[in-house]
Amino acid sequence: AQTVTQSQPEMSVQEAETVTLSCTYDTSESNYYLFWYKQPPSRQMILVIRQEAYKQQNATENRFSVNFQKAAKSFSLKISDSQLGDTAMYFCALPRAGGTSYGKLTFGQGTILTVHP
Amino acid sequence: SAVISQKPSRDICQRGTSLTIQCQVDSQVTMMFWYRQQPGQSLTLIATANQGSEATYESGFVIDKFPISRPNLTFSTLTVSNMSPEDSSIYLCSVAGYNQPQHFGDGTRLSIL
Repeated sequence: AQTVTQSQPEMSVQEAETVTLSCTYDTSESNYYLFWYKQPPSRQMILVIRQEAYKQQNATENRFSVNFQKAAKSFSLKISDSQLGDTAMYFCALPRAGGTSYGKLTFGQGTILTVHP
Repeated sequence: SAVISQKPSRDICQRGTSLTIQCQVDSQVTMMFWYRQQPGQSLTLIATANQGSEATYESGFVIDKFPISRPNLTFSTLTVSNMSPEDSSIYLCSVAGYNQPQHFGDGTRLSIL
């Protein structure tokens, strides 16, 4: 069965510091996408970053980057120069096996990140 | 990315009643989904809204409880029927294309008294 696991229920970081959120997964697919979404208290789900499994280069979007380890099935999110606006719940997500690249998503349990001034 | 409008943004309902949530997209999209997020929890997929045909429901969700319509490629509704306090959740619609990752509406926060 396809699984997505986030083992850190809560994390905190000081403003301007760097924090890494962990995610491990299991899938039978050989090529797939992985996603990180954030959900601020306003509750809107926002796509932060995506990684295609066949690409060896780790994805980067401004202050957000990933450490993708395909063999270990690990997909961590690094946030550099943390800002107060980064305070949110972060979800790792994986499309369901056998579907389309952007189809039905399986989400991890989420990590609540709090950025302190 | 597509602009998604979800209505209502929140509602408080009496048990036993039904509420219909609307999801409108500003462009035609291939896939539309409905998710439920119970308080403090992750998202769970309810169903895939299929244009012009019956929705495809996930295990644990049934059409009688969560009827879904999708009359065209830009609009879908989810009805939560015969509500009980256990239905208190955030309901989110999302859209995706074959070359477009999922983007979400703002969600509907539903409270049942």
